[in-house]
Amino acid sequence: NAGVTQTPKFRILKIGQSMTLQCAQDMNHNYMYWYRQDPGMGLKLIYYSVGAGITDKGEVPNGYNVSRSTTEDFPLRLELAAPSQTSVYFCAIRQGSSETQYFGPGTRLLVL
Amino acid sequence: GENVEQHPSTLSVQEGDSAVIKCTYSDSASNYFPWYKQELGKGPQLIIDIRSNVGEKKDQRIAVTLNKTAKHFSLHITETQPEDSAVYFCAASRAEGKLIFGQGTTLQVKP
Repeated sequence: NAGVTQTPKFRILKIGQSMTLQCAQDMNHNYMYWYRQDPGMGLKLIYYSVGAGITDKGEVPNGYNVSRSTTEDFPLRLELAAPSQTSVYFCAIRQGSSETQYFGPGTRLLVL
Repeated sequence: GENVEQHPSTLSVQEGDSAVIKCTYSDSASNYFPWYKQELGKGPQLIIDIRSNVGEKKDQRIAVTLNKTAKHFSLHITETQPEDSAVYFCAASRAEGKLIFGQGTTLQVKP
């Protein structure tokens, strides 16, 4: 997975609980992205970061928060989990000099 | 905002035949068009990409064509093999790598 680590692999949450999805890279890439993939659908961009300390919203940011204090880590926070957030979450990285995005293995989240 | 439509949603071919997947996009400012292959339980993996200043790109059995005027691009896989079976996604972006994905095509290659 091109140096992208995501934890946990799978998690079940109750409605209203909170959790942080972890994404870490060892490639020293500037750009990091969070996508969600609903069953049978394409990926949708939640948040992205162009470097440490800089984040911005994507297509579907509501219900999520991110931070980027280091180049290596880009955690995604769910504060009040809702059933609509049941999805597979993918983190991706990109070097600024290239368009190519490399995806992690994903975190499967089930909110009941 | 950008919208990417992908067709067909499912495609079944015999081994050795060709497969074609088509995408259309709405934002004329989009300038980067990658194709990803996703196997079950894994993250998407880039298989080929094209920039807006190029009309066609080929890599062994895989090719991508881009028609900027019509705002559509296509993936062509020749001499398909069973290991080509997967879900394929097209995407488009205009800046900072903010990819907008199509809905995906499930390709089945029958031996």
